Amino acid sequence: SQQGEEDPQALSIQEGENATMNCSYKTSINNLQWYRQNSGRGLVHLILIRSNEREKHSGRLRVTLDTSKKSSSLLITASRAADTASYFCATVWRDNRLAFGKGNQVVVIP
Amino acid sequence: EAGVAQSPRYKIIEKRQSVAFWCNPISGHATLYWYQQILGQGPKLLIQFQNNGVVDDSQLPKDRFSAERLKGVDSTLKIQPAKLEDSAVYLCASSPGTGLQPQHFGDGTRLSIL
Repeated sequence: SQQGEEDPQALSIQEGENATMNCSYKTSINNLQWYRQNSGRGLVHLILIRSNEREKHSGRLRVTLDTSKKSSSLLITASRAADTASYFCATVWRDNRLAFGKGNQVVVIP
Repeated sequence: EAGVAQSPRYKIIEKRQSVAFWCNPISGHATLYWYQQILGQGPKLLIQFQNNGVVDDSQLPKDRFSAERLKGVDSTLKIQPAKLEDSAVYLCASSPGTGLQPQHFGDGTRLSIL
């Protein structure tokens, strides 16, 4: 399966702290994406990392990819209450199809 | 730009009834996706369209699910007859094409089967 699989974590952190979540996958991939989903809403794309990239930044987000370990991590720095959401990694395969993991729930306490 | 529109937002039906969901993608997006998201899980791709043609429907339960995108714009997903295990959120997403790019999601239709 190419499905991304997050560590089944539910994180509860204080505002201002950092949040880290991990994702592993089983087969070789070309690219991986991270999405955020607020309660009752659709998914929002956060960042895409290609298989030849090891690290990528976007604002307060930092994503790493280790293809040798078939894993990726998402770090949110200086968390805010608005970061409360579920975060999903998705492996990208043919024709831009996505295979999502189960997601991590993050609660940021003001 | 307007986002992906879906309707209805909520639907409650009894098992064995039929239901239909509608999706209007972002203008100009040639590729449209339908996902099923069961509570506590990530979305699972059901079907992918490129314009009005099906790219992949390998995970669509074709004995009860059907989808169409006749004019290459709007799409409908139908379930007939519904089963209890179909209770889920049905998400529609679109992208400009099938190249590597983000997908844009609607807010979904939450389906409850009684």
